[in-house]
Amino acid sequence: AQTVTQSQPEMSVQEAETVTLSCTYDTSESNYYLFWYKQPPSRQMILVIRQEAYKQQNATENRFSVNFQKAAKSFSLKISDSQLGDTAMYFCAFMYPLGAGGTSYGKLTFGQGTILTVHP
Amino acid sequence: DAGVTQSPTHLIKTRGQQVTLRCSPISGHKSVSWYQQVLGQGPQFIFQYYEKEERGRGNFPDRFSARQFPNYSSELNVNALLLGDSALYLCASSVRDSLYNEQFFGPGTRLTVL
Repeated sequence: AQTVTQSQPEMSVQEAETVTLSCTYDTSESNYYLFWYKQPPSRQMILVIRQEAYKQQNATENRFSVNFQKAAKSFSLKISDSQLGDTAMYFCAFMYPLGAGGTSYGKLTFGQGTILTVHP
Repeated sequence: DAGVTQSPTHLIKTRGQQVTLRCSPISGHKSVSWYQQVLGQGPQFIFQYYEKEERGRGNFPDRFSARQFPNYSSELNVNALLLGDSALYLCASSVRDSLYNEQFFGPGTRLTVL
């Protein structure tokens, strides 16, 4: 079974600076999806960025980018020009494509989360 | 368009009681998944329903059950509540028509068991 590990329980950064959140995962499959979700104190889980394992190019969404190292099974999130609104719990998550391995139904497996605080 | 909605927002129960949580998916979404998020941890998968059938089940006891209705809304039931069932219960809906099953989350129901 796949596992997702986030080794940084808490991180902090000054407004306008850059911060990187780490994530490692374990799987024996070659085709899968990786995600970073943001959960602010309001509790709503919001998708930040997605990476398909078959794509070598790292995904980018505005100030958010990832460093996907497939061989090392590493998937870090870089937040540039941090804003106060970025303060939240961030989760790394993993999903197999529907039907992968004959049993996948597209469930998400989450890491333990990293609390990010952006200071003014 | 309305997002995923869940009710109630908060719920307080005592040990041994039963609880029902409700979820309405985004219009057009036929799949609903349930996750349990204990305070300070990542969500754990409980169930996935698609076209009113259970498609996947996580490692949860039989006290947990769910169903999906013809309008694709869903209920999660938990019987014989334990203190450890206190958590945020998240519902996520998806179209489930491609390899990529993007899930959209609701705001959750906070369950407290006393």
